[in-house]
Formats: sequence, C-alpha cells, structure tokens
Amino acid sequence: TQLLEQSPQFLSIQEGENLTVYCNSSSVFSSLQWYRQEPGEGPVLLVTVVTGGEVKKLKRLTFQFGDARKDSSLHITAAQPGDTGLYLCAGANSGNTPLVFGKGTRLSVIA
Amino acid sequence: DAGITQSPRYKITETGRQVTLMCHQTWSHSYMFWYRQDLGHGLRLIYYSAAADITDKGEVPDGYVVSRSKTENFPLTLESATRSQTSVYFCASSESDRWGTEAFFGQGTRLTVV
Repeated sequence: TQLLEQSPQFLSIQEGENLTVYCNSSSVFSSLQWYRQEPGEGPVLLVTVVTGGEVKKLKRLTFQFGDARKDSSLHITAAQPGDTGLYLCAGANSGNTPLVFGKGTRLSVIA
Repeated sequence: DAGITQSPRYKITETGRQVTLMCHQTWSHSYMFWYRQDLGHGLRLIYYSAAADITDKGEVPDGYVVSRSKTENFPLTLESATRSQTSVYFCASSESDRWGTEAFFGQGTRLTVV
C-alpha cells in the first residue's frame, strides 16, 4: 500500500507569514495533486505536478515535485485568512489505480 | 445544475438500519468514487467504479454496498449501520483513470449513527 505522509498536521500562523507544508512518500508516483478543502465542502484541485523537479506557481502558492517523484511541497507566501483550510496531497500512478490521499495539513491563518 | 451533487447533506440514523447515500453527476464522467473522511485518517476510499455496472473495492469496503446501473448515479448503501460508520462521506468523479486526472468532489454527506 502506497502511503503519503503530510506534515505538519496542524499549522496556525499570522497573516503575512510564509509557510511550507510537505508531502512525502517512500513510493514513486507518476503525478501528485494538491487539493484544498474548506469547512463543509469537498476538496478542490489546486494543481497537478507530473515531472520530477517541476515547480508550479499559483499566485502566492508555489508547488514543487521532488526530483525522484516521491515527495512534494507547497509554499505559501504572505499567507492570508482566505488561505485557511485543509490542504491534501494525492498521488497517482500510471494505470487504473485510484488516487492515494495524504491525511492533510490543517492551516489556520489569523488576521 | 451542472456538477456533482450528494444527498442528503446530513443524516442521522440508528444502529442496524439500512441507509443509502446518493451521488449524481452531470458530466458523464466514467469514474466515480466514494470516500469517507475521519479525523486522523484523512480520505479513505470505500468503493470506486470505472463505468456503469463495473465496481471495485477500495481500502475500507466492509459494511458498504454500491451499484452503478447508470453512468450518472453511484449510490452507497450501508446495509446495517454501525457507530463506526459515523463519518463524512464524499463522492467524487473523474473523466478518466489516466494518472493526473482531476477528481471533482461533492459537498459531502455527514452521517451520524446513534
């Protein structure tokens, strides 16, 4: 069974601070996805990274896929209260196996 | 409305009762999934379906039954509800099984078994 470990599990920061959350595995994935989930809602896709070493930016969010395609990170610059939510990473493999989700990092940005 | 919808949003049921959670998507996506989300466990896959009349077990299928007679519907039935099945249930769909394909989630059903 492939596992994705996310850290930290919880993070509470002040508005304007920077932060990084991590998604690690001992397994290689064909791609990694990051989702954000707000209270009372389902997860929504933020980004998919598919190439080892790939970096993608989405406004203040920077996503990186590890060179070996076993890990990924999400960096948020100048966090805002609207960034509050649960951040989930999900790994995909070639073939027809479903996504594997990490347990998530719950982020709280305090104004 | 376009998208993926789950019903009901909230449900309270008694131990031993049968309960069915509904999921409907309007995109004609081939793949549909049922997950449960619990504190400390994250999202765990219960069942998934690659097409109508094709279903497969996920990580935690025991106590659940699914069917997919039509592409757009994927109901999840708890045959005899137990307190351990108290959870938030999410249905999702995706266009294909190709790796990297986005999964679209419903808003969830919060189920409480008393």
